[in-house]
Amino acid sequence: QKEVEQNSGPLSVPEGAIASLNCTYSDRGSQSFFWYRQYSGKSPELIMSIYSNGDKEDGRFTAQLNKASQYVSLLIRDSQPSDSATYLCAVRGGSARQLTFGSGTQLTVLP
Amino acid sequence: DTAVSQTPKYLVTQMGNDKSIKCEQNLGHDTMYWYKQDSKKFLKIMFSYNNKELIINETVPNRFSPKSPDKAHLNLHINSLELGDSAVYFCASSQDTNQPQHFGDGTRLSIL
Repeated sequence: QKEVEQNSGPLSVPEGAIASLNCTYSDRGSQSFFWYRQYSGKSPELIMSIYSNGDKEDGRFTAQLNKASQYVSLLIRDSQPSDSATYLCAVRGGSARQLTFGSGTQLTVLP
Repeated sequence: DTAVSQTPKYLVTQMGNDKSIKCEQNLGHDTMYWYKQDSKKFLKIMFSYNNKELIINETVPNRFSPKSPDKAHLNLHINSLELGDSAVYFCASSQDTNQPQHFGDGTRLSIL
């Protein structure tokens, strides 16, 4: 079992819709969770971090964390073509100093 | 102004050569990292230094040797380059081991 799993996609949504990206992780002691956006040929860019159960909102982005289900998600409201990118979920395990990344979900927002 | 800068941006070289990639951060962070991203976009940690001390050393061939002359710099030297080393190598830094990481623009290494 992979430590951090994401649906690789591609996920396509129409402009203005809500894009929902999901991530599960295996280490039940994980404490820190991050979403990065990576445009093609560019570096990963941090867009959200979440540390406790529940929702965290920042503009059009909402991160949701459910530690009991070992599940973290990212919702993008009012999706724009400029949101088209690969979204990487990253998890820091309970005893680990490093981040473990998922393989990423490729999102395409269709105009 | 660039927070985490890597050089060179592109590196094309022959199999068997030795090459180095440099990384510098001006964020005042204590922790720096090297990642490898393969053709399938999977991002995997290679090394991490905290205040010049090696704290993460994943299963990486010993042809790869990191060096941190000070906490603002983390360089990566690769000996006897192989075809499988072709990838994008990202440097990153964070305030400490628990804080979010900020990435450089990457070094695209191609082995001929």
